[in-house]
Amino acid sequence: EIVITQSPATLSVSPGERATLSCRASQSINSNLAWYHQKPGQAPSLLIYGASTRATGIPARFSGSGSGTEFTLTISSLQSEDFTVYYCQQYHNWPLTFGGGTRVGIK
Amino acid sequence: EVQLLESGGGLVQPGGSLRLSCAASGFTFSSYAMSWVRQAPGKGLEWVSASSGSGGSTYYADSVKGRFTISRDNSKNTLFLQMTSLRADDTAVYYCAKQAGITIFGVADYWGQGTLVTVSS
Repeated sequence: EIVITQSPATLSVSPGERATLSCRASQSINSNLAWYHQKPGQAPSLLIYGASTRATGIPARFSGSGSGTEFTLTISSLQSEDFTVYYCQQYHNWPLTFGGGTRVGIK
Repeated sequence: EVQLLESGGGLVQPGGSLRLSCAASGFTFSSYAMSWVRQAPGKGLEWVSASSGSGGSTYYADSVKGRFTISRDNSKNTLFLQMTSLRADDTAVYYCAKQAGITIFGVADYWGQGTLVTVSS
């Protein structure tokens, strides 16, 4: 099983500032990585796939990068609706696996 | 508009069974893999099971293998999850998710609102 490790577990950022979230895979997954966010009481929602391609309707302030085992999600200027939980997920091998999540909170 | 509507959740005793359904609309159901993903209260996400578009290939997490069965009726645009020998650690919100392609090796681009399964005596 490919283990996905996200860091940090919690991130405190001021509105308008940049947030950088990390995701590490236990073995190479090429670019088979997605990012989701999940607002309280809602289902997860796709942000990024293929490590760097924004899903339909996702604003340009969200960007993804990386390949192999190291990946990053950057939110360039945090808006109020961005303060929530983010998960990365690999789809290189079964079982498909998620990281433990990063909670982005208001500083 | 893609819509996924889960049903069938509820309270069940340990060792019991439950069948979840997911009614899909707004896309050609048979052309996409579908999955069940769960989230225990206050916890992260776990991919439970997946089915290819035809239903000919199915996959299970080790935690549910031998107890859960995924199936789909492409004529009725419906995905199912038959859950047996339920345990307390199966308690979770179960999400139905559409995947972006016909194989299971892809992202979940649409999700249902989830259905809560509680296993307790």
